[in-house]
Amino acid sequence: GESVGLHLPTLSVQEGDNSIINCAYSNSASDYFIWYKQESGKGPQFIIDIRSNMDKRQGQRVTVLLNKTVKHLSLQIAATQPGDSAVYFCAVSHSGGGADGLTFGKGTHLIIQP
Amino acid sequence: EPEVTQTPSHQVTQMGQEVILRCVPISNHLYFYWYRQILGQKVEFLVSFYNNEISEKSEIFDDQFSVERPDGSNFTLKIRSTKLEDSAMYFCASTADSYEQYFGPGTRLTVT
Repeated sequence: GESVGLHLPTLSVQEGDNSIINCAYSNSASDYFIWYKQESGKGPQFIIDIRSNMDKRQGQRVTVLLNKTVKHLSLQIAATQPGDSAVYFCAVSHSGGGADGLTFGKGTHLIIQP
Repeated sequence: EPEVTQTPSHQVTQMGQEVILRCVPISNHLYFYWYRQILGQKVEFLVSFYNNEISEKSEIFDDQFSVERPDGSNFTLKIRSTKLEDSAMYFCASTADSYEQYFGPGTRLTVT
């Protein structure tokens, strides 16, 4: 089966700095990777995704990097703002297509220091 | 912007009782999911549903659980005889023909 882990349960950064949140997965057949943001009392909110045929994808202030060789995924948030405070989860799909359930990692709590 | 909705937001039930959690997925979506999140832990996949049948289910989704799409808009999760360890947030999600799953706000289930 798949296991997904994050290296750090908590990450504290200064407002305006860049944040990097890491994730590792175990199944080399995994082909779709997603980052979700979860604020207290809410459901996971989609941030950005990447498929296994890519190694980098950029969104607004966010970048996801995928290293399939070492089965590592990272989320970079540029110029972090107070509204970025949340728990961030990576999630992985291993069979592709909409029918597949996602395997989530444990989450990193991002704390923004003023 | 369309969104997944869930009711109720909080459900309290006694051990051994049946509960039904309700979800209205985004209207043009084809794939539906239930996940749960025990307090302070990661989100865990329960079941996926497509074309009026279960596509995939996890080990958590045992005989106590069932899902149904009773009409064109609702998607329900039933727990037949709740246990204390079923206390968790339950999230419904849906997706169209893409991979991106949109999550609802969740139902907090408390079993006493």
